Amino acid sequence: SQQGEEDPQALSIQEGENATMNCSYKTSINNLQWYRQNSGRGLVHLILIRSNEREKHSGRLRVTLDTSKKSSSLLITASRAADTASYFCATADFMEYGNKLVFGAGTILRVKS
Amino acid sequence: DADVTQTPRNRITKTGKRIMLECSQTKGHDRMYWYRQDPGLGLRLIYYSFDVKDINKGEISDGYSVSRQAQAKFSLSLESAIPNQTALYFCATSDWNQETQYFGPGTRLLVL
Repeated sequence: SQQGEEDPQALSIQEGENATMNCSYKTSINNLQWYRQNSGRGLVHLILIRSNEREKHSGRLRVTLDTSKKSSSLLITASRAADTASYFCATADFMEYGNKLVFGAGTILRVKS
Repeated sequence: DADVTQTPRNRITKTGKRIMLECSQTKGHDRMYWYRQDPGLGLRLIYYSFDVKDINKGEISDGYSVSRQAQAKFSLSLESAIPNQTALYFCATSDWNQETQYFGPGTRLLVL
């Protein structure tokens, strides 16, 4: 079963604008990760935030995590046409031997130039 | 060269046929995973392996089997393909002390 649910399902913005995507999950987590997928290609890891962190930055990316609300958001600032992709959140389901990721359905972002 | 490779990249097969999808990695990771992606459903875990002697079922293992031939190789088999196995299949790897996964380019499978 899917753990994360992204919102919105699709987002279309102009180049230079900010894009915000949200992820909600159901159970306790060890960490939450965001991945990007360009059309039909493999996923690429963007950023990881641990359950004891509230905010994290990486370049133009800003991720927040609210464990009380079981939600996370990904903000892409000053978007570019190259940011057009699908974005997935994935929660880490901790097991004895390590983390197993459970992915949401994704947000399709289109950045118009 | 890509760190995680998958073959074939595209495959068309008929209902009832047995097919194998292969994954190889040069990252030296112990852990390997097979996912399928369907439109609107994100990725779902089929099988995963934490080392050569360890194989575990994921969320949707029915109709699939796997083989971990070596640390670097993890194959997914569809014993008797059916049309609802039409999907995009991804292999991924991670190291024992890493929390992120590295994905291959995917295999697009069509079962007629």
